[in-house]
Amino acid sequence: RKEVEQDPGPFNVPEGATVAFNCTYSNSASQSFFWYRQDCRKEPKLLMSVYSSGNEDGRFTAQLNRASQYISLLIRDSKLSDSATYLCAVNRDDKIIFGKGTRLHILP
Amino acid sequence: EAGVAQSPRYKIIEKRQSVAFWCNPISGHATLYWYQQILGQGPKLLIQFQNNGVVDDSQLPKDRFSAERLKGVDSTLKIQPAKLEDSAVYLCASSLNLAGSWETQYFGPGTRLLVL
Repeated sequence: RKEVEQDPGPFNVPEGATVAFNCTYSNSASQSFFWYRQDCRKEPKLLMSVYSSGNEDGRFTAQLNRASQYISLLIRDSKLSDSATYLCAVNRDDKIIFGKGTRLHILP
Repeated sequence: EAGVAQSPRYKIIEKRQSVAFWCNPISGHATLYWYQQILGQGPKLLIQFQNNGVVDDSQLPKDRFSAERLKGVDSTLKIQPAKLEDSAVYLCASSLNLAGSWETQYFGPGTRLLVL
C-alpha cells in the first residue's frame, strides 16, 4: 500500500458546482499535511496547509481526519481557473511525501 | 523576492549520456530538495540538503545519480549514465528550514529531461 493515496480522477465538474476529494495516508506518525496545486507543465504551488482544526481560505476548505487517516479538500463555486492537478502531501520525519495527484477539469 | 531558479529548462539526451541540472534556491533558505516527477505521478524526493549536509538521500539511485551543495547555496544534480526511465521533470525546491515544521516548500520551474 502506498503511503499517500489519491484518486487520480479526472473529476469533470460543471462551473459553479462544489467538488471534494480525499487523500489517505498510511503512517499514523505523519505530522503535517498540505494541498498543493499543479497546473499543466508547471511546478507545484502550496494551496493550503491542513491543520487539525480544519481551515478555510475563500472557496477552499481543508479538513484532517486523524482517526481515519485522511485529508480532504472542498472547492465551492468552482471556477474554470480551478482546473488543475491537486497534490496531497504528508510530512513524516521531516520528509514530504506526495500523492500522485487528482486531476480536476471544470467544464463551462 | 526572487523564486527558485533552475537551468536548463529542457534537455534532450541519448541514453548512456551524462546530464547535469543546476538549482539556485531562494536566498536564505537552508533546506534544498531535488524531486523527480514522472508524467502522471507526484513528485518523488531524491535528495534533501540542510545547508550543505545531506539529510535524506534514501531514494537517490546512487549508482547513477549524484548531487552536491558545496557552499550551502546552489546545488547540482547529475545523472551518469542516463537511462530511458530517467525521462521526467526534475524539480528543485527550497524551504526556510527543515520540513519538520509547517514550512512551505517553494518549487522552481523544473528541468524537463527526455532520454532517447
